[in-house]
Amino acid sequence: DIQMTQSPSSLSASVGDRVTITCRASQRINNYLNWYQQKPGKAPKLLIYAVSSLQSGVPSRFSGSGSGTDFTLTISTLQPEDFATYYCQETYTPPLTFGGGTKVEIK
Amino acid sequence: EVQLVESGGGLVRPGGSLRVSCAASGFTFSNYWMHWVRQAPGKGLVWVARIKSDGSTTNYADSVRGRFSISRDNAKDTLYLQMNSLRAEDTAVYYCATGGMQHEFWGKGTLVTVSS
Repeated sequence: DIQMTQSPSSLSASVGDRVTITCRASQRINNYLNWYQQKPGKAPKLLIYAVSSLQSGVPSRFSGSGSGTDFTLTISTLQPEDFATYYCQETYTPPLTFGGGTKVEIK
Repeated sequence: EVQLVESGGGLVRPGGSLRVSCAASGFTFSNYWMHWVRQAPGKGLVWVARIKSDGSTTNYADSVRGRFSISRDNAKDTLYLQMNSLRAEDTAVYYCATGGMQHEFWGKGTLVTVSS
């Protein structure tokens, strides 16, 4: 099974900060890497699919990059509504593993 | 508008069984792979199972293989997860989600609690 290692597990940031979250796969997963945002008590929301494609309706301050085994989610200018937990997920082969999550908190 | 509505969650004793459902609307259900994803209280997301659009292919997480069964009724636009031999560690909110290579749409989830 593919392991997805996400870092950091949590971070504190201020509104306006640039935030970067990384995800490392235990083997190459081509472009089968997605990012989700989850707020407390809510279902996850798809932000980025296929490494760098922005889901419809998602603000352009969110971007994804990477290749092979190393991937990054960047929030260019953190907004109040972005405080949430973020997950990466590989969909290269089942089981479709999620990363452990990164909780973005207010500094 | 796409809607996924889970139901059937509740309290069940260890070793018991439960079937949860996911009613879909607003899209052509029979064209989509569908998935179950769960989240234990205060924990992260865990993929559980998926089923191909025509029901011909299924895949499972190691932790549920042999105990859980995913199925669908395309005539009723409904996805199911039959859960047998339930354990305390199966306690979680169970979400259904559309799939292909990403989970674009999600339901709000149904809580399954396994406890004596």
